[in-house]
Amino acid sequence: DTGVSQDPRHKITKRGQNVTFRCDPISEHNRLYWYRQTLGQGPEFLTYFQNEAQLEKSRLLSDRFSAERPKGSFSTLEIQRTEQGDSAMYLCASSPPRGTVEETQYFGPGTRLLVL
Amino acid sequence: AQSVTQLDSQVPVFEEAPVELRCNYSSSVSVYLFWYVQYPNQGLQLLLKYLSGSTLVESINGFEAEFNKSQTSFHLRKPSVHISDTAEYFCAVSSRGFQKLVFGTGTRLLVSP
Repeated sequence: DTGVSQDPRHKITKRGQNVTFRCDPISEHNRLYWYRQTLGQGPEFLTYFQNEAQLEKSRLLSDRFSAERPKGSFSTLEIQRTEQGDSAMYLCASSPPRGTVEETQYFGPGTRLLVL
Repeated sequence: AQSVTQLDSQVPVFEEAPVELRCNYSSSVSVYLFWYVQYPNQGLQLLLKYLSGSTLVESINGFEAEFNKSQTSFHLRKPSVHISDTAEYFCAVSSRGFQKLVFGTGTRLLVSP
């Protein structure tokens, strides 16, 4: 396993369109996170899954955003009716089960979204 | 709530000079601390972390950071930088009960010949 993968790496869309991003975590990791990073800023937490359960959502995650992890493996992040303010890098991270020694999140390469 | 402050948005240094990137955090509970590095158009790579034990932690490429609980700091240091160290460095904190990471705004390290 080479790490967390994300698809696509880049997405250009027009305002009002829907987009969906995919994240495949490291195989033995049961926890998965989504972050958003805008230019010149650090990543900001969006949401967190433990297995298939979505345990926390940030207030940044408006009603237009939805994330799923149906079988506790890969996850998708969908943005409906995109706005120019949604332009950002969307980062996915995964970590092993809670209580293990390795309390660390490993990040994917990100999906860069540009909304025109 | 937790927060991280990286006061220096950009740090220019010459190759082979020492460098310190500052990080201060705020938290009402015990924390884990991390430094991540980001190269252009890439995701974040873990550089080093403090979970428990020795307050001085090291990375494989010569960086080190020291957890100072009284000063709520976790500054990153390297005694001699290389051109290849040019990147954005992010300090992050998480509580021990939940791993949501709270990041600082980052410090851009610019190493010139």
